[in-house]
Amino acid sequence: GAVVSQHPSWVICKSGTSVKIECRSLDFQATTMFWYRQFPKQSLMLMATSNEGSKATYEQGVEKDKFLINHASLTLSTLTVTSAHPEDSSFYICSAWTASTSTEAFFGQGTRLTVV
Amino acid sequence: AQSVTQPDIHITVSEGASLELRCNYSYGATPYLFWYVQSPGQGLQLLLKYFSGDTLVQGIKGFEAEFKRSQSSFNLRKPSVHWSDAAEYFCAVGEPGGGNKLTFGTGTQLKVEL
Repeated sequence: GAVVSQHPSWVICKSGTSVKIECRSLDFQATTMFWYRQFPKQSLMLMATSNEGSKATYEQGVEKDKFLINHASLTLSTLTVTSAHPEDSSFYICSAWTASTSTEAFFGQGTRLTVV
Repeated sequence: AQSVTQPDIHITVSEGASLELRCNYSYGATPYLFWYVQSPGQGLQLLLKYFSGDTLVQGIKGFEAEFKRSQSSFNLRKPSVHWSDAAEYFCAVGEPGGGNKLTFGTGTQLKVEL
């Protein structure tokens, strides 16, 4: 299957700072990338959908000014958590999709964010 | 809106016993259906998927799932569980043609007793 890589795997940051998470499709060009958030012992909740070259579409309740998503190329999408607070601590997972893989999207390994 | 229900939050089985994890979905048509497994602190691994055709699908690691339209279910089964199967299992629904924007169930935590 196709490979999606997230970086970093884990990050600790101080309250008030910003942190960027990268999601890369290594062996295919992803026209669409999805960002999910998973609270401890809970399910994955879709945060936003990003299409290459256009603004991301955010799910209801997700603050777009706080969670900045950029999908500048067909192989890279970034999620920036701005002015992070402890309640932003979570597991963030991306998935990538393209028409040639239309039957499924491929997931990254996730990023554990801890805000202290 | 589509939704997924996994009624069992926790399941404990003995190694070598059979396993069935339940999944019910709500969707207007036939959706794309998936089962994923997640080990602690890890990403998601796809076990199997259903789009159309044969309602019994085979996946990796000896797992299978059966799509039952009349019951809106897509239960995951394994005839003999191994200790390494202990993990969190998620059922998910995707919209056909929707680029696989997925709605996940709440997950079932599987424990395997030796």
